[in-house]
Amino acid sequence: DQQVKQNSPSLSVQEGRISILNCDYTNSMFDYFLWYKKYPAEGPTFLISISSIKDKNEDGRFTVFLNKSAKHLSLHIVPSQPGDSAVYFCAAIPYNTDKLIFGTGTRLQVFP
Amino acid sequence: DVKVTQSSRYLVKRTGEKVFLECVQDMDHENMFWYRQDPGLGLRLIYFSYDVKMKEKGDIPEGYSVSREKKERFSLILESASTNQTSMYLCASSLGTSTQYFGPGTRLLVL
Repeated sequence: DQQVKQNSPSLSVQEGRISILNCDYTNSMFDYFLWYKKYPAEGPTFLISISSIKDKNEDGRFTVFLNKSAKHLSLHIVPSQPGDSAVYFCAAIPYNTDKLIFGTGTRLQVFP
Repeated sequence: DVKVTQSSRYLVKRTGEKVFLECVQDMDHENMFWYRQDPGLGLRLIYFSYDVKMKEKGDIPEGYSVSREKKERFSLILESASTNQTSMYLCASSLGTSTQYFGPGTRLLVL
């Protein structure tokens, strides 16, 4: 049973445009959400996070939006750059645990 | 900077062999984790540890065991490797309920 879902396995965006990566979750006990970026043959690197008490967090070109009522999370990258091409994982932490529950990932390709 | 290192980047083993994957972190983190990453399945938690000599099963512990004799080191053991354990193995560490930092991964091929 996949508690964190990324329904788009891949996304292709032109350089300079906005990339929107989506994530849905089913467990209302999640209280912290993270996005990780992963290049081939490397470990995931932390990108941005958001607490369940917020609905938006921004860091440079990256913004994460949280809609708790819809149990939906999205990552916006603007403007997209070729170096953003990677697999993006969303992850959630249930209340009162240290465990991360990962989605299946979305492969983003930014083309010139 | 947090540094998480894994003993091997690539490993080839035979079915039935015992396999040790080592992970070391240098930030005095309490928590350490082992995941495997497979196409279409994302990262799945195998085992984790909150402290020295403590271990907890994750979502897919079958066929694996772990050892945490020192705070900085967390080992994943495949008692008898099988072909369905061919995967990318990722170690991570964290301080309390916070961001997990990952190592570079070990790509294991079991023949």
